Amino acid sequence: KNEVEQSPQNLTAQEGEFITINCSYSVGISALHWLQQHPGGGIVSLFMLSSGKKKHGRLIATINIQEKHSSLHITASHPRDSAVYICAVRSLDQGAQKLVFGQGTRLTINP
Amino acid sequence: KAGVTQTPRYLIKTRGQQVTLSCSPISGHRSVSWYQQTPGQGLQFLFEYFSETQRNKGNFPGRFSGRQFSNSRSEMNVSTLELGDSALYLCASSWLLNTEAFFGQGTRLTVV
Repeated sequence: KNEVEQSPQNLTAQEGEFITINCSYSVGISALHWLQQHPGGGIVSLFMLSSGKKKHGRLIATINIQEKHSSLHITASHPRDSAVYICAVRSLDQGAQKLVFGQGTRLTINP
Repeated sequence: KAGVTQTPRYLIKTRGQQVTLSCSPISGHRSVSWYQQTPGQGLQFLFEYFSETQRNKGNFPGRFSGRQFSNSRSEMNVSTLELGDSALYLCASSWLLNTEAFFGQGTRLTVV
């Protein structure tokens, strides 16, 4: 079992729909990141969370440390939101920190 | 403010050769981290540097190494290249360890 699991793996929706992508992890963490990757490879950091909730424009990220779960929400989705969304956690492994990534969620928003 | 710059963008090497990739962080950032992305394994953490010292390391063989210079620029080296090393190599810079990371466009390495 992977230390970081994302769901769904693929998501197709219509423009304007509310989108939720989930991330569950099984290790202790100091922070969780949500990343966006467009075709061509460029990665943008959307959020870094250690507790609670953050909002940036139409994007909202929440984290529940006790349940080891985070969600990324997109309100009023738009075709330009089509990308791969990746959850990553900074975990402690035998006294050293490491970053562990989920497998990504491919989001397609149709006009 | 210039972003994270990785050079070269594309590279083709032969099995058994070695390769050096470069990453120039955002001005003022002191931490640089490196990642490998492949279709099969996804994104994997290679190593992380802060103030010229490797602070954390992923589960990669010793053929993968790196260093950080006093101006925070970083290089990673892969020796004795294997076909499976073909990947997109990404670096990210941040002001300190465990702060928001800004990614470069990556170097796409093809080993033939």
